[in-house]
Amino acid sequence: SAVISQKPSRDICQRGTSLTIQCQVDSQVTMMFWYRQQPGQSLTLIATANQGSEATYESGFVIDKFPISRPNLTFSTLTVSNMSPEDSSIYLCSAGEGGIRAFFGQGTRLTVV
Amino acid sequence: AQSVTQLGSHVSVSEGALVLLRCNYSSSVPPYLFWYVQYPNQGLQLLLKYTTGATLVKGINGFEAEFKKSETSFHLTKPSAHMSDAAEYFCAVSVSGNNQGGKLIFGQGTELSVKP
Repeated sequence: SAVISQKPSRDICQRGTSLTIQCQVDSQVTMMFWYRQQPGQSLTLIATANQGSEATYESGFVIDKFPISRPNLTFSTLTVSNMSPEDSSIYLCSAGEGGIRAFFGQGTRLTVV
Repeated sequence: AQSVTQLGSHVSVSEGALVLLRCNYSSSVPPYLFWYVQYPNQGLQLLLKYTTGATLVKGINGFEAEFKKSETSFHLTKPSAHMSDAAEYFCAVSVSGNNQGGKLIFGQGTELSVKP
């Protein structure tokens, strides 16, 4: 199984600021994914991050709000921009191959005040 | 398009009793199915997965699930609940397609409580 490390594990941010979340995988993976889990809710896919190409965003999520980088096969970042209290959530990074392996990081718990 | 429905947002059982968490899926192609557990203030841990082959899948911590195509179900069971099983459980289906590896659609989650 892949080991996925996310940083920071939690943060409290002022509204209007931005936070960049880092995700490191201990092996090379083709696809990485970013999910959001709002309080008391299930996980919703934000975007798919592929190395060497633009991220693919799901309906309701846009690049200006959630820019994503994928500089290599083991690393990705998600930025939450111009934050508001509604962005308070857990953000999770996931990596998978071939629809079989889908492992998650421990998540980043974000509170916007 | 795939979708997942978990029946019951909250399930409560006594310690030592059978655990049954229900999951039904919708998929136009053979699905890959997963169960994850989330303990308070933690990320998701993979319990078990079904891809192909044997329809009864055994996972960690004594959990197992059976893929029933005719019922489009993938219910999670454990013969005897333990206090440490109290957590949120998520059923998920993998989006099909050669370029979709690892992209998951999640159910709403079921919170399991275990009473002493």
